[in-house]
Amino acid sequence: AQSVTQLDSQVPVFEEAPVELRCNYSSSVSVYLFWYVQYPNQGLQLLLKYLSGSTLVKGINGFEAEFNKSQTSFHLRKPSVHISDTAEYFCAVRRMDSSYKLIFGSGTRLLVRP
Amino acid sequence: NAGVTQTPKFQVLKTGQSMTLQCAQDMNHNSMYWYRQDPGMGLRLIYYSASEGTTDKGEVPNGYNVSRLNKREFSLRLESAAPSQTSVYFCASIKEIRLQSEQYFGPGTRLTVT
Repeated sequence: AQSVTQLDSQVPVFEEAPVELRCNYSSSVSVYLFWYVQYPNQGLQLLLKYLSGSTLVKGINGFEAEFNKSQTSFHLRKPSVHISDTAEYFCAVRRMDSSYKLIFGSGTRLLVRP
Repeated sequence: NAGVTQTPKFQVLKTGQSMTLQCAQDMNHNSMYWYRQDPGMGLRLIYYSASEGTTDKGEVPNGYNVSRLNKREFSLRLESAAPSQTSVYFCASIKEIRLQSEQYFGPGTRLTVT
């Protein structure tokens, strides 16, 4: 079975500061990795995904994530956040041999303060 | 394209009442999904439909039924609502279940059962 752990339920940060949202996963098989963002009262939107190749993945809105297989982590980073980045961020995994099922972490609320 | 649409946006039910949540997508996607989102638990898969005419249980199917009415529409029915079903429900779709495609999410239905 797969599981995803997002260690921080909420991360407060000042505008223009860097941020890292942590994600660790557990799986006995190879997985694909995803980060989704949910703005208030909206559905989820894909930020970025790791399928194969370079372990540093760039996504929309200036976010990037690094896949670390030895540490089973896929942390999300942004060098300088904006007020508009305030949202909930979900890490998710999907088995490479089973494309239908996404397993989500519990989410991290990023709160950007002026 | 409207993407994935859901109706209603909000609903309040009394315990024991029934209702159907509607979902439609106009992207010609083959697979559709129903998730529920609860605080601190991320999203959990209720049911999915890999293709028109097929449906399968996800992680938390008890108390729900689904119908894949046609390729566009996938409905979720609560026959006898319970307070434990108070949640935000998201519908999602994906073009091909076996490809490395992203899931597109609807805006959600916020359901309260009193």
